[in-house]
Amino acid sequence: GAVVSQHPSWVICKSGTSVKIECRSLDFQATTMFWYRQFPKQSLMLMATSNEGSKATYEQGVEKDKFLINHASLTLSTLTVTSAHPEDSSFYICSATPGQGRNEQFFGPGTRLTVL
Amino acid sequence: AQSVAQPEDQVNVAEGNPLTVKCTYSVSGNPYLFWYVQYPNRGLQFLLKYITGDNLVKGSYGFEAEFNKSQTSFHLKKPSALVSDSALYFCAVRPPGGGNKLTFGTGTQLKVEL
Repeated sequence: GAVVSQHPSWVICKSGTSVKIECRSLDFQATTMFWYRQFPKQSLMLMATSNEGSKATYEQGVEKDKFLINHASLTLSTLTVTSAHPEDSSFYICSATPGQGRNEQFFGPGTRLTVL
Repeated sequence: AQSVAQPEDQVNVAEGNPLTVKCTYSVSGNPYLFWYVQYPNRGLQFLLKYITGDNLVKGSYGFEAEFNKSQTSFHLKKPSALVSDSALYFCAVRPPGGGNKLTFGTGTQLKVEL
């Protein structure tokens, strides 16, 4: 149990286009989902915390207008990278927390974004 | 603010030998501590956690970790390493009452050789 999927697993796009990444909790309802960014050989940097039905909370330095997060249901959150540029190329990972006393985050497999 | 330190970028161990991956933390109050493993181009997999209770926590794949409050450490251990254990390991801390937000260490690359 506690499986989180991400789609797509990788994407290549042209500079200036927008890319949407989906994060789904497959066998549980996620009260909270998190979006992370990971550069090569570096740790995960939290970008934002997303609660179903409310606005995401962004970490300091993360542009909310560039990284649009929508958490429309208890099993789906989306991250849209708007007007992507090469510096946005990274590995994006989501995680989900079941809540109800369960403290661990369950992570998706990640999405590799390459902006040309 | 809470922080996590993993002092070793890489740990090399021979297969069959015990392994230790170090982690120290800084947080107010009693922390929630986690270990995750990441294989190349994959997300993180949960290994184990410490919330309260016994200081020695047993997790997946034969891993365990010992919570040491006086040394503010939560080192990951395994009695006998396998080549398949080679991966990137992350320690993470969540402060009590801090929601579910995790702060990660910088990661330690474990390499187990024959």
